[in-house]
Amino acid sequence: GNSVTQMEGPVTLSEEAFLTINCTYTATGYPSLFWYVQYPGEGLQLLLKATKADDKGSNKGFEATYRKETTSFHLEKGSVQVSDSAVYFCALEYGNKLVFGAGTILRVKS
Amino acid sequence: GAVVSQHPSWVICKSGTSVKIECRSLDFQATTMFWYRQFPKQSLMLMATSNEGSKATYEQGVEKDKFLINHASLTLSTLTVTSAHPEDSSFYICSARGPARLAGGEQYFGPGTRLTVT
Repeated sequence: GNSVTQMEGPVTLSEEAFLTINCTYTATGYPSLFWYVQYPGEGLQLLLKATKADDKGSNKGFEATYRKETTSFHLEKGSVQVSDSAVYFCALEYGNKLVFGAGTILRVKS
Repeated sequence: GAVVSQHPSWVICKSGTSVKIECRSLDFQATTMFWYRQFPKQSLMLMATSNEGSKATYEQGVEKDKFLINHASLTLSTLTVTSAHPEDSSFYICSARGPARLAGGEQYFGPGTRLTVT
């Protein structure tokens, strides 16, 4: 079946540190891949997406590349800020449905 | 744009009673709405998909008679947890998808409703 595995958190970083949150997936066919972010007290927001192999999604300094050979979609940011503290969810879409990873809590300290 | 609200944000009810949760798309018409359930430290699990004016499609293992979903208009869907029990305590999240030309065809999420059954 379709599933998403992402690294457990919490991930705690100092401001301006480099961020990587690993995400791998299992899917039939070639799903679209997403990263969502959930700030405290708010709903999930789409951060970035990629719809086919080798596509790179990017937004607000975050990037992720759709790697078919390693079935991965790792999230990266070169320099995190305190305001990036949130929960990050990796997800895949097949048909009309989203399948989510467990979420990774990111805490950025000033 | 593309804001989705949920009401209430949290609710406590007694075992055996029913609870209704509303999900509204505030600035777009949602052709499809989704209901998810999230357990602590776990991912969102899709419960059901509903299209306006038709019956919801439930995921395997979700009791349709317990979790009643109504999508009576293009901006409102409701989830009613009937005869709630403590094991129904959870975080319920809805999302709404609008037409591709208006809302990008993506899902927009509400902030969630915390249900506690005592």
